[in-house]
Amino acid sequence: EVQLLESGGGLVQPGGSLRLSCAASGFTFSNYAMSWFRQAPGKGLQWVSAISGTDSSTYYADSVKGRFTISRDNFKNTLYLQMNSLRDEDTAVYCCAKTYLGGSSSGFDYWGQGTLVTVSS
Amino acid sequence: DIQLTQSPSFLSASVGDRVTITCRASQGISSYLAWYQQKPGKAPKLLISAASTLQRGVPSRFSGSGSGTEFTLTISSLQPEDFATYCCQQLNSYPLTFGGGTKVEIK
Repeated sequence: EVQLLESGGGLVQPGGSLRLSCAASGFTFSNYAMSWFRQAPGKGLQWVSAISGTDSSTYYADSVKGRFTISRDNFKNTLYLQMNSLRDEDTAVYCCAKTYLGGSSSGFDYWGQGTLVTVSS
Repeated sequence: DIQLTQSPSFLSASVGDRVTITCRASQGISSYLAWYQQKPGKAPKLLISAASTLQRGVPSRFSGSGSGTEFTLTISSLQPEDFATYCCQQLNSYPLTFGGGTKVEIK
């Protein structure tokens, strides 16, 4: 059974940092591109960042470029999101998601339940 | 960035109704479009990939069509468990983007 379990969220002051983790199981992690998404309270889904399965090519939304870094450890089956210089508008539930067919053009068939990041003074 | 315009944003319908949701892309995206269903407090569920490929386990009353810039999601006979928010996502190029969502409520 595919499982994605996020952790690392919490309350942080503006300008602070957090590192999110997404522990994956039930599939060959290295074969699949992964993404982080977020959903602010009462808002729609927003894609944040993506990473390919093997060569670890990375992609970012403009709103987080230069502040967030996505990475993966294919030995630990874990996806990460390092978030620096956090802003109020980064407050959201952050979810990791697995691509359906390996590449990001196929959609995302499994999602974690998310971890809440609250940026507030 | 590719913008997705989804309509309607809200839909009130009865059990048994046929429902159609439209998603228009600001530029051609071939068939790189997915449809998701999301219920409150739950993760999105992938219904359709590649514009028209029904995911395993998704009831056949759901169907998707279109290519290029115009896409539709159709529910042929709305069931009680279908009341949810539906959104489209383009997968043609980064940044990946979503439509604004369609909330389907009980009439």
